[in-house]
Amino acid sequence: AQTVTQSQPEMSVQEAETVTLSCTYDTSENNYYLFWYKQPPSRQMILVIRQEAYKQQNATENRFSVNFQKAAKSFSLKISDSQLGDTAMYFCAFKPMDSNYQLIWGAGTKLIIKP
Amino acid sequence: NAGVTQTPKFRVLKTGQSMTLLCAQDMNHEYMYWYRQDPGMGLRLIHYSVGEGTTAKGEVPDGYNVSRLKKQNFLLGLESAAPSQTSVYFCASSILAGTQETQYFGPGTRLLVL
Repeated sequence: AQTVTQSQPEMSVQEAETVTLSCTYDTSENNYYLFWYKQPPSRQMILVIRQEAYKQQNATENRFSVNFQKAAKSFSLKISDSQLGDTAMYFCAFKPMDSNYQLIWGAGTKLIIKP
Repeated sequence: NAGVTQTPKFRVLKTGQSMTLLCAQDMNHEYMYWYRQDPGMGLRLIHYSVGEGTTAKGEVPDGYNVSRLKKQNFLLGLESAAPSQTSVYFCASSILAGTQETQYFGPGTRLLVL
């Protein structure tokens, strides 16, 4: 069975620091997508960044970047210059390219940015 | 741009009552999904639809029914609500063409079953 594991239930850092959230997954598939979603207190689920497994280059979106290690099945999210508005739950998700359209989700990491 | 909207935002039901949650998207997406989110867990897929008039079961479909009569709407029904269905429900939609795998989410509906 395909699974996604987020080993850090909660993290907190000071504003402006850099923080890395970990995500590992288990699959026998070779082609798939990986996502990080952010869920602030408003509960809206917002896409942060995504990575296609066939791309070797790590995805970046402004202050957000990933460290994708396919062989190790690891997909960590780095947030640079963290801001108070980054406080949220962060979910890692996996989707095989030829799946039945189902995203497989981790349990989430609660990130708190302290002023 | 409305994106994905959900109605209602919050609802309290008594055990055995029925209700329908409405999801609407204005992005002309073919694919729509219903998830539930419980504390300490990731989202779990209830049902999904790959186009108007089609639906399929997800990971946790029992106790729920869905309909996709119009492309832009995806309805989730609870025929006889149970306390175990207390949860936050999210609707999502996606294009799913080529590399456009991103799912766009609605704001969620909080359901409390007493």
